[in-house]
Parts: sequence; C-alpha cells; structure tokens
Amino acid sequence: GAGVSQSPSNKVTEKGKDVELRCDPISGHTALYWYRQSLGQGLEFLIYFQGNSAPDKSGLPSDRFSAERTGGSVSTLTIQRTQQEDSAVYLCASSLASTGGRGSNQPQHFGDGTRLSIL
Amino acid sequence: GDSVTQMEGPVTLSEEAFLTINCTYTATGYPSLFWYVQYPGEGLQLLLKATKADDKGSNKGFEATYRKETTSFHLEKGSVQVSDSAVYFCALSPAAGNKLTFGGGTRVLVKP
Repeated sequence: GAGVSQSPSNKVTEKGKDVELRCDPISGHTALYWYRQSLGQGLEFLIYFQGNSAPDKSGLPSDRFSAERTGGSVSTLTIQRTQQEDSAVYLCASSLASTGGRGSNQPQHFGDGTRLSIL
Repeated sequence: GDSVTQMEGPVTLSEEAFLTINCTYTATGYPSLFWYVQYPGEGLQLLLKATKADDKGSNKGFEATYRKETTSFHLEKGSVQVSDSAVYFCALSPAAGNKLTFGGGTRVLVKP
C-alpha cells in the first residue's frame, strides 16, 4: 500500500546494544515525526523533520537517541547503548507540510510501529 | 506546556449504546484538535479533526465539536458496534507548530 512503512516490526536486543529503526513515509510527505508509545508514559513526541532538517528535537529523551533523514524521505532513529527503559513501541508518522497560519496543520498518518524490547 | 486530558477507561458498553469520551486540553492560541483510533493489533488511524472553534469533525458515525470556551473536544457516537472496540486518543497540534500532544487514551470495549 501507500502508507507509512516501518521496519522492523519487532526488535529484541540485549541491554547495551545499539539499534536502528527505519521509517519510510508516504510519498510526497515532507514532514516526518517520531513518537514513542510506552505503558507508563503514553504517546510521547520525540522529533520532527521538515525535509532533511529537524527543527524540533525537544522530545529526544537523552543523547543516546538520534535521528536522521536523507533525501527528504527515509528516516532512521538510532538508540545507542540501549537500556531497559527504552522498551516501547516506536511510531513514525508523516504529513504534508503545513501551509502556515491558523488551522493549517495537516493530519499525521502513522505507521504500524516497531516494538522494541530490551532484555 | 500543552496538555490533553481524557477520561480513563476501560469503557464497556453494549452494542447500540451511546458513547461519549471526554477530552479537555490546555494550549495557547488556537490549536488543531484530533481524535485518533487504534484498533487491536493495528496502528494509529486518524478518526476526525477540527481546526477552529465551533468546527465539528465527523467520520464513521463519530462526531466531536471544538469548544473553545470549555477547551473541550468530546467524542460521541450514537450507536456503537462491536467493531468500534479500540483505544481512542485525543490529541492537539499547536497553532505554531506541528508535533502532536496526546491524551492517555481511552480503551472502549463494545459487547454484543
């Protein structure tokens, strides 16, 4: 289909290892977002990309978390030296760019997520 | 900062019952408001949205009205079906930004 695609769907790794999560947005969507869904914290914003730049990284919980986006399309979220509290479902969303002004925010379309389990 | 508060679940209903899920928000300016739904085993899907005061969003028999005076965006459906069983999330996007702030989610279980 033409939706947001995330891989892998499930990832189990040992504490201390690095992981990479991938997001392929809907074609033509210039805005891309990463969120985290965990039992204790609900749905939390991590980072927002407009094109290849990230004007809002305010939700990244620590310097172990980083993300990049290349070619205005695919994005990778990297977690270094994973900890057990990083266990969560990581969701990616994409949208058309907002045109600015009141009421212009475009709806975000979500992928099915990557379920990350840290042993 | 921005925040969204929605009623805790689970909400258990019989088929054809009336459903209301309360949602209130705190934000500056005029945010856009959304309801997302997560069916079992599936990802988040946009259910409906409203972008200015008094707007009514509607989809699949669900409705929500943007009430600026009460900072609310309550979700309603007149006659629920078993297939409406899901977790419902209220969310806002600020007027001058794009990230979504979500409520804690409300699990709805509709029994036949």
